[in-house]
Amino acid sequence: DAKTTQPNSMESNEEEPVHLPCNHSTISGTDYIHWYRQLPSQGPEYVIHGLTSNVNNRMASLAIAEDRKSSTLILHRATLRDAAVYYCILRGLMNYGGSQGNLIFGKGTKLSVKP
Amino acid sequence: GAVVSQHPSRVICKSGTSVKIECRSLDFQATTMFWYRQFPKQSLMLMATSNEGSKATYEQGVEKDKFLINHASLTLSTLTVTSAHPEDSSFYICSASDRANSPLHFGNGTRLTVT
Repeated sequence: DAKTTQPNSMESNEEEPVHLPCNHSTISGTDYIHWYRQLPSQGPEYVIHGLTSNVNNRMASLAIAEDRKSSTLILHRATLRDAAVYYCILRGLMNYGGSQGNLIFGKGTKLSVKP
Repeated sequence: GAVVSQHPSRVICKSGTSVKIECRSLDFQATTMFWYRQFPKQSLMLMATSNEGSKATYEQGVEKDKFLINHASLTLSTLTVTSAHPEDSSFYICSASDRANSPLHFGNGTRLTVT
């Protein structure tokens, strides 16, 4: 089972910030928090990842709670091209999938962006 | 950035035949590749973890004799759907990474239709 839970859907207006939440209350100390997004009929695209500290890159920012049981992906100015399904997953240090929820995708959040 | 190439993007085959899907890491060495399957309007389901030079690790419920995975080199993994049936019709996606704590890079997926 997925170790992360996200809202099914969110709406945003173009040019406004978007905060996408993710709960991962059973996260282990060595799990990294990864975010990916997927457009229809395409493979997922990497967005950002982090362990404990907040992270910024050209696409987004990742805010990680102090207890690491939740995180928030922040799109600073949503554009129509940001409309996608956003997935938050955990990735452990061992390079394997499956057991203990490593690399298991939940249902994700479908983000709609209104012009 | 890192690129994963997946081929073919679409394939239609007759029931009972086998189909091979290739996944290549173009600019990095992928010690581990992951194979996912995605049905319409659903999330990605991890099928197996493929490690270079060793047997793949399959997730519970995935038939290893039906979905043959070979990872013979650090840049190529293949998934062969043997004796395909209409219920195997799905979107198959591979991903790869070079280290356990690095981002996953996804292929663009293969749409398999079994008639």
